[in-house]
Amino acid sequence: GAGVSQSPSNKVTEKGKDVELRCDPISGHTALYWYRQSLGQGLEFLIYFQGNSAPDKSGLPSDRFSAERTGGSVSTLTIQRTQQEDSAVYLCASRQGNTIYFGEGSWLTVV
Amino acid sequence: GQSLEQPSEVTAVEGAIVQINCTYQTSGFYGLSWYQQHDGGAPTFLSYNALDGLEETGRFSSFLSRSDSYGYLLLQELQMKDSASYFCAVRDSGGGATNKLIFGTGTLLAVQP
Repeated sequence: GAGVSQSPSNKVTEKGKDVELRCDPISGHTALYWYRQSLGQGLEFLIYFQGNSAPDKSGLPSDRFSAERTGGSVSTLTIQRTQQEDSAVYLCASRQGNTIYFGEGSWLTVV
Repeated sequence: GQSLEQPSEVTAVEGAIVQINCTYQTSGFYGLSWYQQHDGGAPTFLSYNALDGLEETGRFSSFLSRSDSYGYLLLQELQMKDSASYFCAVRDSGGGATNKLIFGTGTLLAVQP
């Protein structure tokens, strides 16, 4: 596609429910990143994929967070048993050379 | 550990020049990038420095000194639309096994008339 696409763009969920966030990277980009950004804060690294493997998942905050990537393309970030502190924008990005391209993010609100 | 430090806020007037500094500490280093993020938007790429020196792209320039673990973004002829958050980022080689991109805390630039 023309850019990194993320869905849903907005999600409001009840505490304790599971959510899935989807990222469709730019076609041909093998590197894919997930970041989290709380209001007015910086970008917190979550996980990095090279192809379908995740050589670095050190940023996942807890075992409630998991991510997978299939076919070297689409990635899904899953948050189980959501908590209010999970409320943030979840940004996906894919890399070509030294430039990474971000999607518009999935705004998650846990109530 | 890995960390990047930037000033939290900078204020300048239209037409002026502003410099946003970034100091970093990482276990490996592939290069220093700068990203711009307008309120509510996605971060967008501005520049990349792998080697020491100044890279110029229009009104924006970026500088790197690897020996000092330091870089800066220089914005000239400031315009109101430059009001945004600016993030430095380091691609951390982390011993070669990863290409994690670590971001600084961000600098909020306010351009005043």
